[in-house]
Amino acid sequence: GENVEQHPSTLSVQEGDSAVIKCTYSDSASNYFPWYKQELGKGPQLIIDIRSNVGEKKDQRIAVTLNKTAKHFSLHITETQPEDSAVYFCAANSGGGADGLTFGKGTHLIIQP
Amino acid sequence: NAGVTQTPKFQVLKTGQSMTLQCAQDMNHNSMYWYRQDPGMGLRLIYYSASEGTTDKGEVPNGYNVSRLNKREFSLRLESAAPSQTSVYFCASRSGIYGYTFGSGTRLTVV
Repeated sequence: GENVEQHPSTLSVQEGDSAVIKCTYSDSASNYFPWYKQELGKGPQLIIDIRSNVGEKKDQRIAVTLNKTAKHFSLHITETQPEDSAVYFCAANSGGGADGLTFGKGTHLIIQP
Repeated sequence: NAGVTQTPKFQVLKTGQSMTLQCAQDMNHNSMYWYRQDPGMGLRLIYYSASEGTTDKGEVPNGYNVSRLNKREFSLRLESAAPSQTSVYFCASRSGIYGYTFGSGTRLTVV
């Protein structure tokens, strides 16, 4: 089955700086890669996703890049703000017919004032 | 539009007790999922239901059973709770191929 690795586990950046979180996946048939933001006590919220036919997608301060050859994808947050502090999860679907998403273990992003 | 609703939000069980976690969605989605979240482990798939009347095992199904009662509701049952099942449980539903929506979770402690 699919295996998703996420790094780093904790990331601390100064407010206004950029943050980058990286993930790798194992199943070459995976074709959907969402990113979720989870605040304390809440469920994961989709912030951006990318499909395998696209190399990059941007939504205001958030962007995701995908390298299918290397099987890795990254989340980029620019001009970070205090409200960006949260745990971020990457995920990938399974291309082998099984349903559901496989998640990375999460990155705790801390925005320092 | 409530999205995905889970009940209860919190529960404490004694080892060996049973309980059912409830999940309902009002988005007319076909597929529904149960995940568990443990510290440092991300979310792991327990069971899923691709459509009304069907259920399949995910990555960590042992100790759980599910029922897809109708298109809206998907319940998760612990027949004999164990401390290893202490976790936060999330229900999700899916629109089309890609759009997963999660509930706010049930925090379960087994003592």
